[in-house]
Amino acid sequence: DVKVTQSSRYLVKRTGEKVFLECVQDMDHENMFWYRQDPGLGLRLIYFSYDVKMKEKGDIPEGYSVSREKKERFSLILESASTNQTSMYLCASSLPPPGQGSYYEQYFGPGTRLTVT
Amino acid sequence: AQSVTQLGSHVSVSEGALVLLRCNYSSSVPPYLFWYVQYPNQGLQLLLKYTTGATLVKGINGFEAEFKKSETSFHLTKPSAHMSDAAEYFCAVSEMKTSYDKVIFGPGTSLSVIP
Repeated sequence: DVKVTQSSRYLVKRTGEKVFLECVQDMDHENMFWYRQDPGLGLRLIYFSYDVKMKEKGDIPEGYSVSREKKERFSLILESASTNQTSMYLCASSLPPPGQGSYYEQYFGPGTRLTVT
Repeated sequence: AQSVTQLGSHVSVSEGALVLLRCNYSSSVPPYLFWYVQYPNQGLQLLLKYTTGATLVKGINGFEAEFKKSETSFHLTKPSAHMSDAAEYFCAVSEMKTSYDKVIFGPGTSLSVIP
């Protein structure tokens, strides 16, 4: 059974703190993603990684950074947390697209609900 | 740029009634389309997908969706709602990049099932 795990289900941090959100997948997937989920906005891509030590910015990378030192682990870092980063954070992984007309689904973790006070 | 709209942020149906969740998309190329479901306190799970071929797609738990190119729609239906269907449903469109599929999600529709 495929599995994506996230280090915490709930997290409360203070403004200005450095925050690490960890994600681990056991499916040997090349691609890993970090999304932010807010009511009425759906999921928005923060960063993704297509290989170890490789990363690309998504749609809302400001205020975030990522690290991928090992294939199975993808970390999201909030360098200085702010209240507008209070949200649900979802990690996902997938295989690379096999080509036109095919699609490999993304597998999601349970999410981390982060509150910044 | 591709986008996804879902009509109705919240839908309530009676148990046993038809479920209809609406999704419209904008895309400049033939799209890949998906429905994901998120049960309370869980991550998202793929319900069904359309890539090519048959426009009526069947998914898990009795759900199906029909791709209508002329209407740019991909509405999700289920003939008879069950209490366990209460969840958040996300329509999404994929834009294939070189090394990954960028998935653009709609805002979501929360489905409530009334006993």
